[in-house]
Amino acid sequence: DAKTTQPPSMDCAEGRAANLPCNHSTISGNEYVYWYRQIHSQGPQYIIHGLKNNETNEMASLIITEDRKSSTLILPHATLRDTAVYYCIVRVAGTGNQFYFGTGTSLTVIP
Amino acid sequence: EADIYQTPRYLVIGTGKKITLECSQTMGHDKMYWYQQDPGMELHLIHYSYGVNSTEKGDLSSESTVSRIRTEHFPLTLESARPSHTSQYLCASRRKETQYFGPGTRLLVL
Repeated sequence: DAKTTQPPSMDCAEGRAANLPCNHSTISGNEYVYWYRQIHSQGPQYIIHGLKNNETNEMASLIITEDRKSSTLILPHATLRDTAVYYCIVRVAGTGNQFYFGTGTSLTVIP
Repeated sequence: EADIYQTPRYLVIGTGKKITLECSQTMGHDKMYWYQQDPGMELHLIHYSYGVNSTEKGDLSSESTVSRIRTEHFPLTLESARPSHTSQYLCASRRKETQYFGPGTRLLVL
């Protein structure tokens, strides 16, 4: 599975959009991009995933560049409860390949 | 919302004791996982199962063992706990491309 690179930490003002970047320059054509988050050492929570089209759900939007070498997770209106570690994972879907969570980005939402 | 449970949530135990961490899910998922995570550090996969009577070791070497006799139940056992086993243990199940995690068990071995 392709390796991902994320900034170790970010801040965001409450009510503003939080844009979390992820680089995955070695991604292959059949690998999906997944995002999970972990709030204060609870179990990680699934957010969203996509292959090449932009995706949106009730939690977030996922923007994948046309060359698929990077992506951005967008939390449109960050709240204090969005303070968490966000993990970007790249893997082939529908296989036995495991999820490698890495170190993620620690997002702090500031009042 | 996924229904996956772990007990106990917190455990303090002496060196040499045998412990079993329980994990149960009511969703009928075949795939289940155990991760180990130290504070502020990465999650490491220590065991996984693709169904009843299927168990495999993960990427991180662990002295623990697991069993999968029933679909809904995936317990993890340490035969002789040591201080180096102090960590958080997270159980997960998977449906399609989504993993659902339990709340975790925080283990402290004295």
